[in-house]
This record gives sequence, C-alpha cells and structure tokens, in this order.
Amino acid sequence: QKEVEQNSGPLSVPEGAIASLNCTYSDRGSQSFFWYRQYSGKSPELIMSIYSNGDKEDGRFTAQLNKASQYVSLLIRDSQPSDSATYLCAVKGAYGGSQGNLIFGKGTKLSVKP
Amino acid sequence: EAQVTQNPRYLITVTGKKLTVTCSQNMNHEYMSWYRQDPGLGLRQIYYSMNVEVTDKGDVPEGYKVSRKEKRNFPLILESPSPNQTSLYFCASSSGIGILRTEAFFGQGTRLTVV
Repeated sequence: QKEVEQNSGPLSVPEGAIASLNCTYSDRGSQSFFWYRQYSGKSPELIMSIYSNGDKEDGRFTAQLNKASQYVSLLIRDSQPSDSATYLCAVKGAYGGSQGNLIFGKGTKLSVKP
Repeated sequence: EAQVTQNPRYLITVTGKKLTVTCSQNMNHEYMSWYRQDPGLGLRQIYYSMNVEVTDKGDVPEGYKVSRKEKRNFPLILESPSPNQTSLYFCASSSGIGILRTEAFFGQGTRLTVV
C-alpha cells in the first residue's frame, strides 16, 4: 500500500515568518511530487511540482526533494494570512496505469496569524 | 478559459435513487479522474480514464460507475447511492504525459449528501 504522510496540523505561524510543510512517502519508485493548496470548501490548486533531488523555487515557495530519505517539503517565505489553507502533498509513480496515479496525503492545515 | 466543469455543485438525494454527476473539460486532455474527499481521509481516487473508452478503478471504486464516450466528458454514476457515499467529489483533468502528467485542473467540486 503506497502511502503519503503529512502532519495534519494545524501549523500556526506569524505573518512574515517561514512556514515549513513536510511530507514523507513510502514508494521508492515515486518520480513526481506535487504540492496543492486547498482553501476551505474549494478545489485543490496546483502550486509546485518537483521531479529531481534538491530545491525548486517559485516566488515565495520552495519545494525540496530528497529521494534517498523519501521526503519532500514546501517552504513558504514571508507567509501571509492569504496563505492560510490546507496544503496537500501528492506523489506519483514512474509507470503508467494505476501506478502512474497520484496518491495524496491527508493535508496539513496552515494558519498564518496577522 | 481552460476549465473543468462539474454539475451539480450541491446535491441532496435519498438512498437508492440513481444519480449522475457530470464533468466536462475544454482542454482536450486524455486523462481524467474522479476523487472523493472525506475529513480525516483526504483525497482518494475513485476511477480514472486514460482515453476515450478506457477506464479503470482507482482506490475506492465500489458503488460507482463511470463512462468515457467522448474525450471531454467523464460522468460519475451512482446506481444506488448509500449514506456512506456522502462526500465532496472532485473531477480532475491532467496535463502532460508520462512522468510529467499531473492533475493540474480540478472541477469546483460536488457536495453530495445521501439521506
């Protein structure tokens, strides 16, 4: 059973701080990693994808991947109240068919306090 | 505008009454999928389709059917809904191919209540 684990939170950070969201996965064959943001009652929104070990930066967001440790993280710099949402980690295997489907973590709820 | 459209957004129905939730995308994507989202359980895939007339089960397919007669449409059918199918449902459409394929486009969601 492929699993993606996230702390459910809530993670509370003050405005302007760095929020660090973590995710571990069980399938060593996983090749693609994604972070989604979901506001309450809304649909998930893709914010980052990462495929290689290391860091990938996009504006205030940085995704970090360590395949040896089976660990992926999302850093949000200069956190804003509008970043308050649930962040979903999703992982995809290398193969087609069902192994190429996304497995989602249960999400971490982030609260940014003004 | 690229979008995935689900209907209805909200639905209350009674046990056993067949229903269909429609999903349509305007991006000519081959891969489409259905998820349900429940508190404490996260997003779980129900069915997916890799192309017209090609569908397969996801992680929680029991009690659901799908069809893919046209590329743009991927309806979710509940032949005999039960209360344990009360959930928030999302249709998703995927861009890219192979390793780069990802569910980048989600519908607005359908909140279904079965009483």
